[in-house]
Parts: sequence; structure tokens; C-alpha cells
Amino acid sequence: GAVVSQHPSRVICKSGTSVKIECRSLDFQATTMFWYRQFPKQSLMLMATSNEGSKATYEQGVEKDKFLINHASLTLSTLTVTSAHPEDSSFYICSARDQGGGGNYNEQFFGPGTRLTVL
Amino acid sequence: GDSVTQMEGPVTLSEEAFLTINCTYTATGYPSLFWYVQYPGEGLQLLLKATKADDKGSNKGFEATYRKETTSFHLEKGSVQVSDSAVYFCALSDQNSGNTPLVFGKGTRLSVIA
Repeated sequence: GAVVSQHPSRVICKSGTSVKIECRSLDFQATTMFWYRQFPKQSLMLMATSNEGSKATYEQGVEKDKFLINHASLTLSTLTVTSAHPEDSSFYICSARDQGGGGNYNEQFFGPGTRLTVL
Repeated sequence: GDSVTQMEGPVTLSEEAFLTINCTYTATGYPSLFWYVQYPGEGLQLLLKATKADDKGSNKGFEATYRKETTSFHLEKGSVQVSDSAVYFCALSDQNSGNTPLVFGKGTRLSVIA
């Protein structure tokens, strides 16, 4: 079945450093991936839509210079949290839309999430 | 725009009790409807889905029927287990637009006690 992986699953970093999170679709191609942020006991907040080969589309209120998104191939999108601060600590989840010709067409599959803790 | 409203939790049930989590939606087109489950500390897993009116999605004893006339997709399970304790998200997807993300409800936390 369709699998999306995220790496790392957990990261702890010092304030002011940058952290890169990878999101990979393992067995399907995804021209579109989405990045979400989830605060404790809350729903998912869409941060941005990542499009392969073009610039990401950010949701209102999300700083594009702080959350850099690169979707360089049909199976990989990266989210880099630049100059991280404690308020950036959160659970980050990516999803990928299967846009191949199989039975999962247009279905979204989620990665397991990355828990970021900024000290 | 499209939106999803689901009952707010938390919901606490005893093992083997009947579960219903209500979900209604607003959409301009003909969306696909989903239920996702999130276990503690994990990402979202697709629980079930329905792509057109009157479809019933089912998985692991959970069921939900796509009701166009009431714009609803209520989640039900006849006998819950402690292992069903999780957060459940109702979501919709605009089938005609490949670049739009899922629209999620706020989630309902379910706790099942033995």
C-alpha cells in the first residue's frame, strides 16, 4: 500500500539552529505534498502546499522565510525550520497525494509525524 | 468554502459500549469523505472512506455512511475496545481539485475504559 515516511521522527535542537524534516512517498509519485502542524490536543493546521518543481503555497500567517519548503522530486519534500525558537516546538506532519493511475488516485497518505522540541 | 464539523469531545465510554461520533460537512461540489484516527504520539491513519452518496466505508468494526441529504458522515462502532482510544478526525476532499488539501474537523478524543 501507499506509504509516506518522515525523518527524523523526533528532534531536539537549540534555539537559533535550523532543522530539516524530510517527507518521502515510498511507493507512489506525489506532485503535491502538504505540511501540517499540530499543537497538543488540537487539530491539524495546514501550513503549506508543496508542489514539485515550483514554489510552495503558504497559508495565511505562516512565514515562508521561516518555514522553507523544497519539493525537488516526485517523492521528496523537505521542510526546514530556520532559526528555530521554543514556540516552534510542535508535531509536524506531512501528507502526500497519490496522483498516479492506480486505485488510490487523489487519496492523501500521511507520514508518522516529526516531533520538534526547541530548547 | 468547504468545512467539516464534528462533535467535540472528549468522549469516554466503557468497553463494549456503542460509539457514535457525529460529522457533518459543507461543500460546494461532491467531496470524498474520510475518517482518520490518530493514536497517541503518532501520525494520522486512514480508518475508512466513502467517495459518493450512499457509500458505506468500513474498517476494524467502524462504519460510516455518506449521507448527501443530511450532509453527514457519522462514525459508528457497535462495541468499542480499550485499544480504540485515540483521536478521530473527519475530513473531506474536493474530488475535482487535485491540489486542494483535506479539510479536517477539529477531532474527537475517545477514551475507552475497561
